Amino acid sequence: AQSVTQPDIHITVSEGASLELRCNYSYGATPYLFWYVQSPGQGLQLLLKYFSGDTLVQGIKGFEAEFKRSQSSFNLRKPSVHWSDAAEYFCAVGTYGGATNKLIFGTGTLLAVQP
Amino acid sequence: DTAVSQTPKYLVTQMGNDKSIKCEQNLGHDTMYWYKQDSKKFLKIMFSYNNKELIINETVPNRFSPKSPDKAHLNLHINSLELGDSAVYFCASSQTAGVVRTGELFFGEGSRLTVL
Repeated sequence: AQSVTQPDIHITVSEGASLELRCNYSYGATPYLFWYVQSPGQGLQLLLKYFSGDTLVQGIKGFEAEFKRSQSSFNLRKPSVHWSDAAEYFCAVGTYGGATNKLIFGTGTLLAVQP
Repeated sequence: DTAVSQTPKYLVTQMGNDKSIKCEQNLGHDTMYWYKQDSKKFLKIMFSYNNKELIINETVPNRFSPKSPDKAHLNLHINSLELGDSAVYFCASSQTAGVVRTGELFFGEGSRLTVL
């Protein structure tokens, strides 16, 4: 069955430090992969997506993610974190077959940013 | 204008009651969804409608009944509320049912339901 695992429930980084959030997926076919961000009290917003081609994808707000098929991973990175990046981050895999396309989300990683 | 709007934002009610949550999108999208986010932030799809037709119906109790009067609206009615129904319910939309290939779900701000 398709699934997404985010091993880190909670991460704290200092402002200006680099960030890497881990995501591992399980899917039999070529995966469609996504990262979403949820600010407190808000809905989720798409940060970036991977469909095919270049395995390093750029997103909004200075985020990037790298797809590694051999490791079934799609880790999110940012070189220098800003206080406004504090939020919950969700990795998702898209499953498709017939008329039912849907996104399956991981359990999220809560990012705290300290001054 | 809010792209995907849900009402109410907060709902506190007693066990056994019936309640509804409404959702509207002004993006012109064909497909709408209900997701449930539990206390551990796990986000799970419940239903999806494409042009008013139900296309995804995950394993959800019959007490939950979605209704889509037109493609811009998707409502969720819950009968006989139970403690375990307490969660944040998110409405979302996508341009087409092929959301996996476009990749973008637009989420509302959520409706926090508390059942006492």
